[in-house]
Amino acid sequence: DTAVSQTPKYLVTQMGNDKSIKCEQNLGHDTMYWYKQDSKKFLKIMFSYNNKELIINETVPNRFSPKSPDKAHLNLHINSLELGDSAVYFCASSQVGIGVEKLFFGSGTQLSVL
Amino acid sequence: GESVGLHLPTLSVQEGDNSIINCAYSNSASDYFIWYKQESGKGPQFIIDIRSNMDKRQGQRVTVLLNKTVKHLSLQIAATQPGDSAVYFCAENGGGSNYKLTFGKGTLLTVNP
Repeated sequence: DTAVSQTPKYLVTQMGNDKSIKCEQNLGHDTMYWYKQDSKKFLKIMFSYNNKELIINETVPNRFSPKSPDKAHLNLHINSLELGDSAVYFCASSQVGIGVEKLFFGSGTQLSVL
Repeated sequence: GESVGLHLPTLSVQEGDNSIINCAYSNSASDYFIWYKQESGKGPQFIIDIRSNMDKRQGQRVTVLLNKTVKHLSLQIAATQPGDSAVYFCAENGGGSNYKLTFGKGTLLTVNP
């Protein structure tokens, strides 16, 4: 069983469209994240939710809206997609103690905006 | 600030050699560090971690060294194998109450048979 699973793995779409990426974790963790990896492999945090509450919102355009229906799920909805949104998006989870502990990552969603 | 580089550093080694991957971090408040391995088409996988009250930690074929004086972290891989070929990232937590890991740029390790 996959610990952190995200769908779809590949997403090809036109500029201006709206799309969603789903993420689920079965590790019982209380914190989930979205990271963006650009073409140079740089990983940057976008959002973090702890027990369904948004705790980190980095400088991300408001076209990106995370939603956490429960602590095992964190979905990412993107409105009005732009060429620069093309990247690999990773969902991750962790069990936060004093601070963040090691993250468990999904296999990524490669988004290509044409 | 974040430890970043302009290009993805690369390291090429022969199978059986030892590999050393280096990372400079910039946040002196960081007290927890992790190394991740990312194979092509996959998400980053945890390799080993270390807390700031330690300067060395060993795992299976891997050793992490932490030098807080110069804010430097290294990952040593013994007897490198072709399956070790991947991009390796260091990450820091920015301090105990922080809720995020900040990743370095990554190093591409290529193991030649």
